[in-house]
Amino acid sequence: DQQVKQNSPSLSVQEGRISILNCDYTNSMFDYFLWYKKYPAEGPTFLISISSIKDKNEDGRFTVFLNKSAKHLSLHIVPSQPGDSAVYFCAANFGNEKLTFGTGTRLTIIP
Amino acid sequence: DVKVTQSSRYLVKRTGEKVFLECVQDMDHENMFWYRQDPGLGLRLIYFSYDVKMKEKGDIPEGYSVSREKKERFSLILESASTNQTSMYLCASSPSGRTDTQYFGPGTRLTVL
Repeated sequence: DQQVKQNSPSLSVQEGRISILNCDYTNSMFDYFLWYKKYPAEGPTFLISISSIKDKNEDGRFTVFLNKSAKHLSLHIVPSQPGDSAVYFCAANFGNEKLTFGTGTRLTIIP
Repeated sequence: DVKVTQSSRYLVKRTGEKVFLECVQDMDHENMFWYRQDPGLGLRLIYFSYDVKMKEKGDIPEGYSVSREKKERFSLILESASTNQTSMYLCASSPSGRTDTQYFGPGTRLTVL
């Protein structure tokens, strides 16, 4: 049972435009959400997070939005750059250190 | 800089062999984790440890065991490797809070023939 879902396996975006990556979850107990980025042959690296008491968190070009009623979060990257090409995983947790990850979205930025 | 290292980048083993995957972190983190990454399934937690000699099962512990004798080292053991354990294995560590960032190693690509 996939509690965290990323329904788009891949996404291509023109350089300079906005990239929007989506994530849905089913477990209403989740109260902390994260995005990780993964380049080939490297481990995932933390990008940005959001607590369920907020609906938006910004860090430079990256913004995460949380819609608790829809159990949906999204990551916006503006403007998109070639170095943003990677696989993006959303993750969620509650209660302990265990993270539940989504299946990932491969983002390709077209120069 | 946090560093998480894994003993091998690539490993090829035969069905039935006992396999050890080693992970070492240099930041005195309390928590350590083992995940596997498979296409279309994302990262799935196998086991995690929140202290020396302490462990908890993750979502897919079957066929695996772990050992944490020292704080900096967390080992994943495949007692009798099977072809369905061919995967990318990722180790991570984090401080002690549940919202603390997990830092990942580069991964070990294990192929079981």
